[in-house]
Amino acid sequence: GAVVSQHPSWVICKSGTSVKIECRSLDFQATTMFWYRQFPKQSLMLMATSNEGSKATYEQGVEKDKFLINHASLTLSTLTVTSAHPEDSSFYICSADPSGRRGTQYFGPGTRLTVL
Amino acid sequence: AQSVSQHNHHVILSEAASLELGCNYSYGGTVNLFWYVQYPGQHLQLLLKYFSGDPLVKGIKGFEAEFIKSKFSFNLRKPSVQWSDTAEYFCAVNSGGGADGLTFGKGTHLIIQP
Repeated sequence: GAVVSQHPSWVICKSGTSVKIECRSLDFQATTMFWYRQFPKQSLMLMATSNEGSKATYEQGVEKDKFLINHASLTLSTLTVTSAHPEDSSFYICSADPSGRRGTQYFGPGTRLTVL
Repeated sequence: AQSVSQHNHHVILSEAASLELGCNYSYGGTVNLFWYVQYPGQHLQLLLKYFSGDPLVKGIKGFEAEFIKSKFSFNLRKPSVQWSDTAEYFCAVNSGGGADGLTFGKGTHLIIQP
């Protein structure tokens, strides 16, 4: 149980284009999902908290107009990287919290984005 | 703001050796503490967690961790490692309410030599 999937697993795009990444909780509902970014050989950094039915909460320094988050249902959150640039190339990982309070986050496999 | 420090970035051990990975956190309030493992090519998996109660927490695959509040530490231990324990280990915290995103340490790359 508690499986989280991400799609796509990897994507290559041209600079200036937009890319959408999906995060799904397959066997549970999640009112809260989280988006992290992991640079090579570094740790995960929280980008934003995605709340079902409301606006996402972004961490300091994360551009909300560049990283659009939509949490339209209790099993799906999407991250859209708009007007991507090479510096946006990274590994994007989502997690979902089944309980929403003092819960345990279950992580997706990640999406590797390469912007040319 | 929270921060997590993992002191050992790379650790190399032989099979059957004992393991202890350090983790210290900085936060003024109540915290929840986690250890996650990332095996090569796989996603993060929860090893163990501490919310409250007994400060000695047992997790999966023979791992345990001890929360020492006075030292702001949550070190991970395993008495006898196996080759299959080769992985990246991350310590993480979030605030006492538990609904917040996680703050991760930089990770420890553990290599177990046969």
